[in-house]
Amino acid sequence: DVKVTQSSRYLVKRTGEKVFLECVQDMDHENMFWYRQDPGLGLRLIYFSYDVKMKEKGDIPEGYSVSREKKERFSLILESASTNQTSMYLCASSSPGLAGALGEQYFGPGTRLTVT
Amino acid sequence: AQSVSQHNHHVILSEAASLELGCNYSYGGTVNLFWYVQYPGQHLQLLLKYFSGDPLVKGIKGFEAEFIKSKFSFNLRKPSVQWSDTAEYFCAVIPPKTNAGKSTFGDGTTLTVKP
Repeated sequence: DVKVTQSSRYLVKRTGEKVFLECVQDMDHENMFWYRQDPGLGLRLIYFSYDVKMKEKGDIPEGYSVSREKKERFSLILESASTNQTSMYLCASSSPGLAGALGEQYFGPGTRLTVT
Repeated sequence: AQSVSQHNHHVILSEAASLELGCNYSYGGTVNLFWYVQYPGQHLQLLLKYFSGDPLVKGIKGFEAEFIKSKFSFNLRKPSVQWSDTAEYFCAVIPPKTNAGKSTFGDGTTLTVKP
């Protein structure tokens, strides 16, 4: 079974703090993703990475950065946390499927971040 | 903007009722389609997927979905729901020529099944 783990289930930080969210997957997947999940807004893509050191902005990258130094690890960084970044953060990974069919995503348990 | 639409935000059913959750997308060309489910307190997980072939796809726990290309739809169905189907359901689309399997998700539908 694919396993995607996230460093914390719950996190409380103060406004202005630098926050690191870590994600590790154990299936050698090329692609990794960071989303935030808010009620009524579904999943919104923050950043994704398709290879080590390669990254692309998603739909809502402002206020976030990412790092992928190793294939299995994808980190989300909030440079200066703000209250509007209070949310559930989900990490996911996927691998290209057969004949170009792109694979489904496997999700971690999520980190509920509260910024006060 | 191109998007994925789920028509119902919250659906409430009694056990044994039939379920249909709508999903429409606005991308042309070949797409990959998914339904994910998030049970209370659990990870998001794949329910079913469509890449090609038979447009009627069967997934886990008795769910199925039908891809209708002319309607840009991928509706989720279950003939008889159970209390344990209470969850949030997300439709997702990988549009054509997308880098890295980047999916676009709908806003989600919360299903509550009354015992």
